[in-house]
Amino acid sequence: NAGVTQTPKFRVLKTGQSMTLLCAQDMNHEYMYWYRQDPGMGLRLIHYSVGEGTTAKGEVPDGYNVSRLKKQNFLLGLESAAPSQTSVYFCASSYTSRRGTEAFFGQGTRLTVV
Amino acid sequence: AQSVTQLDSQVPVFEEAPVELRCNYSSSVSVYLFWYVQYPNQGLQLLLKYLSGSTLVKGINGFEAEFNKSQTSFHLRKPSVHISDTAEYFCAVTHHTGNQFYFGTGTSLTVIP
Repeated sequence: NAGVTQTPKFRVLKTGQSMTLLCAQDMNHEYMYWYRQDPGMGLRLIHYSVGEGTTAKGEVPDGYNVSRLKKQNFLLGLESAAPSQTSVYFCASSYTSRRGTEAFFGQGTRLTVV
Repeated sequence: AQSVTQLDSQVPVFEEAPVELRCNYSSSVSVYLFWYVQYPNQGLQLLLKYLSGSTLVKGINGFEAEFNKSQTSFHLRKPSVHISDTAEYFCAVTHHTGNQFYFGTGTSLTVIP
């Protein structure tokens, strides 16, 4: 199993350009998440999904959109990139059961907006 | 609402010395607690988790953590660190019926030869 796979791994955008980050998981998890990681701020939740066709806003959703058309995929879109969106983006997925839960992370996408 | 506080942003420690990374959480409901480790330019991987039962949890690479409900803490410990333990460590919490993971701001552990 590959786990959680993010593409691309690196990207440089010009201000105002758009792009989509793809996250794929092969563990049949219901929940998927997009986080951004910035120095000194830990991981902040952008958007999340509790199942196919559903999405919800997290802590810092402005400037981002998401879609979950298939259970295994969770897309993060930037319609008009801004320098403040320079960050490392992590996708994660999780399961829940009566015995608990755990989140699994991708390797990250390093995005620079110039 | 839940939140996680990691009290130390940077912890330098000499090789083979013990280390404790502190984590406190706030929540009005029962929670699950986690420690994740992030090596340079990599994603986060699970170090250990507390779901229920024994309050002392053992994880990978010789790490352990103790859940203290009265002090709302989940401190991470290792009796003897190695150079390879140099990494960023994140404490996280989610509640039993929730689906969001809340992370602390991270502690950068540097092991000095």
